Amino acid sequence: EVQLVESGGGLVQPGRSMKLSCAASGFTFSNYGMAWVRQAPKKGLEWVAYISYDGGSTYYRDPVKGRFTISRDNAKSTLYLQMDSLRSEDTATYYCTTDSGYLLFAYWGQGTLVTVSS
Amino acid sequence: DIQMTQSPASLSASLGETVTIECRASEDIYNGLAWYQQKPGKSPQLLIYNANSLHTGVPSRFSGSGSGTQYSLKINSLQSEDVASYFCQQYYNYPPTFGGGTKLELK
Repeated sequence: EVQLVESGGGLVQPGRSMKLSCAASGFTFSNYGMAWVRQAPKKGLEWVAYISYDGGSTYYRDPVKGRFTISRDNAKSTLYLQMDSLRSEDTATYYCTTDSGYLLFAYWGQGTLVTVSS
Repeated sequence: DIQMTQSPASLSASLGETVTIECRASEDIYNGLAWYQQKPGKSPQLLIYNANSLHTGVPSRFSGSGSGTQYSLKINSLQSEDVASYFCQQYYNYPPTFGGGTKLELK
């Protein structure tokens, strides 16, 4: 059974940093691209970042380019999202997802809430 | 970016009823469309991909159809466990984009 467990969320002040983690199990992590998708409170879904199976390619939505960094450790089956210079509009639940190719999100974690506020 | 417009934004239906949710893309997405179900307080779950293919383990009362810019999700014989929000997503073109969601409640 595919399991994705996010951690690292919480309350952070504007301009500060936070790093999210996603521990994967139940599938061969190193064979799959992975992504982060976020959902602001009571809002819709928004793709944030993608990383290829080997970490060689990464993509970001425009508002987070230069501030967020997606990475992975295939030996630990873990996905990361380093978020710097956080803004209030980054407040959301962040979901770790698998990519089935072409940014189709087949499996999702339970999410971790990031609140950016002073 | 391709804009995805869902309708209706909310929907109330009775048990056993058939429900249809629509999704319109701002340009042709060539069946690169997925539907997700998000139950209250839970994470989204993939229901349909490639516009009409059922994801593993999804009940057959769910079906998808459409082409070009117009797509729909149909739920036959509505069950209580289908109360949820439903989102469409296009993955034909980068960046992937989602519809605003449809909240389905029981009447």
